[in-house]
Amino acid sequence: QVQLQESGPGLVKPSQTLSLTCTVSGDSISGGFYYWSWIRQPAGKGLEWIGRIHTSGTTIYNPSLESRVTISLDTPKNHFSLMLRSVTAADTAVYYCARDSLWGELDYWGQGTLATVSS
Amino acid sequence: QSALTQPASVSGSPGQSITISCTGTSNDVGSHNFVSWYQQHPGKVPQLMIYEGTKRPSGVSNRFSASKSGNTASLTISGLQAEDEADYYCYSCATNYTFVFGGGTKLTVL
Repeated sequence: QVQLQESGPGLVKPSQTLSLTCTVSGDSISGGFYYWSWIRQPAGKGLEWIGRIHTSGTTIYNPSLESRVTISLDTPKNHFSLMLRSVTAADTAVYYCARDSLWGELDYWGQGTLATVSS
Repeated sequence: QSALTQPASVSGSPGQSITISCTGTSNDVGSHNFVSWYQQHPGKVPQLMIYEGTKRPSGVSNRFSASKSGNTASLTISGLQAEDEADYYCYSCATNYTFVFGGGTKLTVL
């Protein structure tokens, strides 16, 4: 059974960098078939796609966040990470990681982690 | 990149059928047949309900079906049940291999 689990600090100060990790079990992120994605959801609002990474290292980001986002892989540890720079209160949200396919099929999700931006 | 357009809310009585639309453009929904749909109960993780436009993952009820016409994808739930009350989101590939969600639709079972 594939499982994903987000981890990272729940509180980040404005202007600093939010860093989250998604640990994958039951599948290898270096397998080559899937993409590994980050999605976020502010309280009471809808889902927002942040970006994704393929085993090859190819990344694609939401154009509205691209200047502040980096997604990376750590294949020995079988996890992938999200860095969001220069955060503001508008970045406060539940952040999810998920397994994705080429054409968009988010079949396994982490439980989500709340990241709050506040001084 | 704008969110795909979904109605904010829909409602139906138990046993009835409802349809949720997801309207995009020729650069996203209209350019392929791979829209997926997700169900999210309050406080829970989104769950994949439809993928590759019309396919259901194992374990998803056949009361859920989907279709597409032009730039609009649709999710239909037949034989509404109380447990179907949730938020629903569409998801589509868009320009330059980016992805976009719909704004979400709250389904109320009356």
